[in-house]
Amino acid sequence: EAGVAQSPRYKIIEKRQSVAFWCNPISGHATLYWYQQILGQGPKLLIQFQNNGVVDDSQLPKDRFSAERLKGVDSTLKIQPAKLEDSAVYLCASSLYSVETQYFGPGTRLLVL
Amino acid sequence: KNQVEQSPQSLIILEGKNCTLQCNYTVSPFSNLRWYKQDTGRGPVSLTIMTFSENTKSNGRYTATLDADTKQSSLHITASQLSDSASYICVVRLASGGSYIPTFGRGTSLIVHP
Repeated sequence: EAGVAQSPRYKIIEKRQSVAFWCNPISGHATLYWYQQILGQGPKLLIQFQNNGVVDDSQLPKDRFSAERLKGVDSTLKIQPAKLEDSAVYLCASSLYSVETQYFGPGTRLLVL
Repeated sequence: KNQVEQSPQSLIILEGKNCTLQCNYTVSPFSNLRWYKQDTGRGPVSLTIMTFSENTKSNGRYTATLDADTKQSSLHITASQLSDSASYICVVRLASGGSYIPTFGRGTSLIVHP
């Protein structure tokens, strides 16, 4: 079974630039999550999708972050414009349903200069 | 506010020794609690899952306990190995309107020395 795929694996941008991350969940998984993990901390949930609907986005900085999951499969997370404090690993995870085990992708490491 | 607190923040032990990591939570209504292991540079991987009615769950050398009354959980690692060096994250799921939203702790960083 293929795992959760993410791209790119690494990204370096300057502040005020835009960046987008892509996630392909495990086939058949209805729930998709985006997390931000700052060095030395646990992951922070940014947004949770159930199919193509948003279940929770209470911690998503909506003035600069946006996410979509068109057709209930792949998802993209965008930051526009980026700030220095956005430097982190962005993890995508998926689960069969929201109560089930989450499977994480390898993450995208973002450095904002 | 729903929170998950883990202790200690970091721990260093010698290979072969046992250790116990703690997790306290205030998440309500509670659905389940999981312990994840996160190796450096990798995404977290689930070790155990416990529901309200379960007190103990084992996965090899990992044993998790849950006291739903005091809202505490522990992860005990027996006969530690070098490969156990990782971050261990406690995740509690909130049951909300038919969905289950995860709340993550900050993790305990474990280093096992030879």
